[in-house]
Amino acid sequence: AQKVTQAQTEISVVEKEDVTLDCVYETRDTTYYLFWYKQPPSGELVFLIRRNSFDEQNEISGRYSWNFQKSTSSFNFTITASQVVDSAVYFCALSGPYNTDKLIFGTGTRLQVFP
Amino acid sequence: GAGVSQSPSNKVTEKGKDVELRCDPISGHTALYWYRQSLGQGLEFLIYFQGNSAPDKSGLPSDRFSAERTGGSVSTLTIQRTQQEDSAVYLCASSTTYLGQRKGSGANVLTFGAGSRLTVL
Repeated sequence: AQKVTQAQTEISVVEKEDVTLDCVYETRDTTYYLFWYKQPPSGELVFLIRRNSFDEQNEISGRYSWNFQKSTSSFNFTITASQVVDSAVYFCALSGPYNTDKLIFGTGTRLQVFP
Repeated sequence: GAGVSQSPSNKVTEKGKDVELRCDPISGHTALYWYRQSLGQGLEFLIYFQGNSAPDKSGLPSDRFSAERTGGSVSTLTIQRTQQEDSAVYLCASSTTYLGQRKGSGANVLTFGAGSRLTVL
């Protein structure tokens, strides 16, 4: 069975702090895909990243970075120098190898960045 | 359209009434998904359409829930005899995908609508 765990329900930081959102997954597939989505207060989920299981290189996009470690089944997300606009709920998700596979989402982590 | 459009954005209904939620996906997107987001919960998968057919409806919580998609475009999620536990935000998402199953490519990136917030009194 597939499962995504985001143990951090809510995180509060002050602007300019770095923050890491944890994501741990379970799957029996050898090929799988991992995603992160952001849900700002407006409610519409915004895609951030998609990574396949064969690519363990860390990814950096501006202030965002992702650390994929198969050995610990984790796909953590770090925001460097956080800003108030980063306040949102962040979801980690997992899919199997098929294009018809659905995304299995974690319960999300609410990040609040205070000025 | 430019994005995934859902209506109504808010719906308040009385227990026992039927409701219909509509999703208009991005033009040309062949795959359409319905998810439910309850307070404090993650996104719960309900049903997936590929074209007009629904190869995966395993997430529908009961036979009071049904969905259809016509013309490979608009989808309607119907909840009959609503219960208070049906209160949630219902999210629709669409994506491009190959018709038919293909291994190795994984789920495509989903574009989500803003959701329909359902409150059952």
